[in-house]
Amino acid sequence: SYVLTQPPSLSVAPGQTARITCGGNNIGTKSVHWYQQKPGQAPVLVVYADSDRPSGIPERFSGSNSGNTATLTISRVEAGDEADYYCQVWDSTGDHVVFGGGTKLTVL
Amino acid sequence: QVQLQESGPGLVKSSQTLSLTCTVSGGSISSGGYYWSWIRQHPGKGLEWIGYIYYSGSSYYNPSLKSRVTMSVDTSKNQFSLNLNSVTAADTAVFYCARGLTYYDSGGYRDCYFDLWGRGTLVTVSS
Repeated sequence: SYVLTQPPSLSVAPGQTARITCGGNNIGTKSVHWYQQKPGQAPVLVVYADSDRPSGIPERFSGSNSGNTATLTISRVEAGDEADYYCQVWDSTGDHVVFGGGTKLTVL
Repeated sequence: QVQLQESGPGLVKSSQTLSLTCTVSGGSISSGGYYWSWIRQHPGKGLEWIGYIYYSGSSYYNPSLKSRVTMSVDTSKNQFSLNLNSVTAADTAVFYCARGLTYYDSGGYRDCYFDLWGRGTLVTVSS
């Protein structure tokens, strides 16, 4: 089955840019979706279809996808961005949902 | 505004069946284009997709859980449900119901992402 690989953790200073990667075989041919999960809360969709943002999500959140890596970029990081971030794709070979292992973003 | 709410026992004995229900409010579960889904999260771990069901009753399950999972939908109550049998301590997790929005991408391939989630409910399996 399809595997998505994320770095377990990433630390960024406030005001800097965080880039969270999601690796997968030819992931650039798939649409990637990203979720933010804060402690004790349900996940929230922050980017869908590689680079679209749901209403209410700040423009600081953006996404890209090419080759074997998709990236969630958070510009001008704030303390409130500290959370776990998960990437997700639809595996069409089996009509399955696949999640990455998640990346814990720490704001220094 | 559509909302999802999980309900069910917070404690299940080992070898028995875990049963949860998700109630959809503020919208109809019979609206096309959505896969009504269950996702779980073991304590301190990542997200694991369990499966989904369409309002018509067709369903797909995670292959790793397929032998133990059954999902159903009750359109008259605007609810969908999860049954996970033969549970063990390894099934202790927070269970989320979620709405999977389905569409066809620019290449004509079906895709799905979760635009709405319930708050989640912790289910503990005890011996």
